[in-house]
Amino acid sequence: DQQVKQNSPSLSVQEGRISILNCDYTNSMFDYFLWYKKYPAEGPTFLISISSIKDKNEDGRFTVFLNKSAKHLSLHIVPSQPGDSAVYFCAARSGGSNYKLTFGKGTLLTVNP
Amino acid sequence: GAVVSQHPSWVICKSGTSVKIECRSLDFQATTMFWYRQFPKQSLMLMATSNEGSKATYEQGVEKDKFLINHASLTLSTLTVTSAHPEDSSFYICSAKAGANVLTFGAGSRLTVL
Repeated sequence: DQQVKQNSPSLSVQEGRISILNCDYTNSMFDYFLWYKKYPAEGPTFLISISSIKDKNEDGRFTVFLNKSAKHLSLHIVPSQPGDSAVYFCAARSGGSNYKLTFGKGTLLTVNP
Repeated sequence: GAVVSQHPSWVICKSGTSVKIECRSLDFQATTMFWYRQFPKQSLMLMATSNEGSKATYEQGVEKDKFLINHASLTLSTLTVTSAHPEDSSFYICSAKAGANVLTFGAGSRLTVL
């Protein structure tokens, strides 16, 4: 049973436009959510995160929105740049000192010049 | 920022041999490291939690005798794939907690078993 779902395997947007990546989760015990960016043959790099007590977190061009009632979060990238092209993983952590992360399958974002 | 280094980044081995992958925290100490495995177009699946000075904690379905984990120091964890078979071919990634709430990942190790 997949607890973190990224239903869109790929997304293609034009440079300068907004990219919206979506993530759904089923485990109500998750209290912290993260987005990681991954290039081929490299490890994931941390992008942005949000605690379950918040509904929005912004960092430059990146904003993450959390809708707890819908168990849904999204990553907005504005404006999108060709260098943003990568696989984006949504990850979730359950409460406590346990830092185990549960990942979604990822969404391949392609930003076209 | 915190850096996690993995070695080797690529390894090809014959079926039946053992392969060791190292994971080092370069500028911080990590009492806990995590080993993930990723198959093509799949998510990162947690294999085990490596604890410094004690036994690793394995996720359900992961064979502890096949994937040996040693965390002998605060900066080094090793994963040994014993008696490797072609189905063990995968991308193995380690991570460590470098700050509050965030894991830092290594670059990963691509294992190909012939």
